[in-house]
Amino acid sequence: GAVVSQHPSRVICKSGTSVKIECRSLDFQATTMFWYRQFPKQSLMLMATSNEGSKATYEQGVEKDKFLINHASLTLSTLTVTSAHPEDSSFYICSASGAKNIQYFGAGTRLSVL
Amino acid sequence: GQQVMQIPQYQHVQEGEDFTTYCNSSTTLSNIQWYKQRPGGHPVFLIQLVKSGEVKKQKRLTFQFGEAKKNSSLHITATQTTDVGTYFCAGGATGNEKLTFGTGTRLTIIP
Repeated sequence: GAVVSQHPSRVICKSGTSVKIECRSLDFQATTMFWYRQFPKQSLMLMATSNEGSKATYEQGVEKDKFLINHASLTLSTLTVTSAHPEDSSFYICSASGAKNIQYFGAGTRLSVL
Repeated sequence: GQQVMQIPQYQHVQEGEDFTTYCNSSTTLSNIQWYKQRPGGHPVFLIQLVKSGEVKKQKRLTFQFGEAKKNSSLHITATQTTDVGTYFCAGGATGNEKLTFGTGTRLTIIP
């Protein structure tokens, strides 16, 4: 099956620092990847759609300068949370789009900003 | 924008009882997908439905797509402790790879 690796799984950082999260499709090429944010006991909120070789498409209300997305290759997308603050603490999950638009998810990154 | 609601939000059942979650979209969908997220885990794809009125089965799980392609359901027969988790439906629109995830139904099992 399609495997998506997300790293790191957990980050604890000080307020004001930037955090980079990587999402890799290990056994297939993904021209499209997605970044979600999930609050405790809530659904997945789509933040942005990441397309290889082009700028990401952000959902309404998501600050593109705050959440920088780079999709430099068919197997790697990165999300950088710039100048993180406590309100950015959350569970961030990436997914890669495979055949028939089925999404395969990474294990997620739990970000805690102190 | 498109909204996808699920009911119930929570369901506690005795092991062996049946369970059903319902998914309703504000717009017509091209396809509906179902995912399961175990506590502390990430969503895992279960199934995709494309055709109006489609019914698919996976062992004890039965998935339905409504005739109008705006609603769906997941029914689990004789629940087991391994069924614990949150079940999300996710709606897709034609020509768009994005999915709109439903609000989810959290299933807990009483042994």
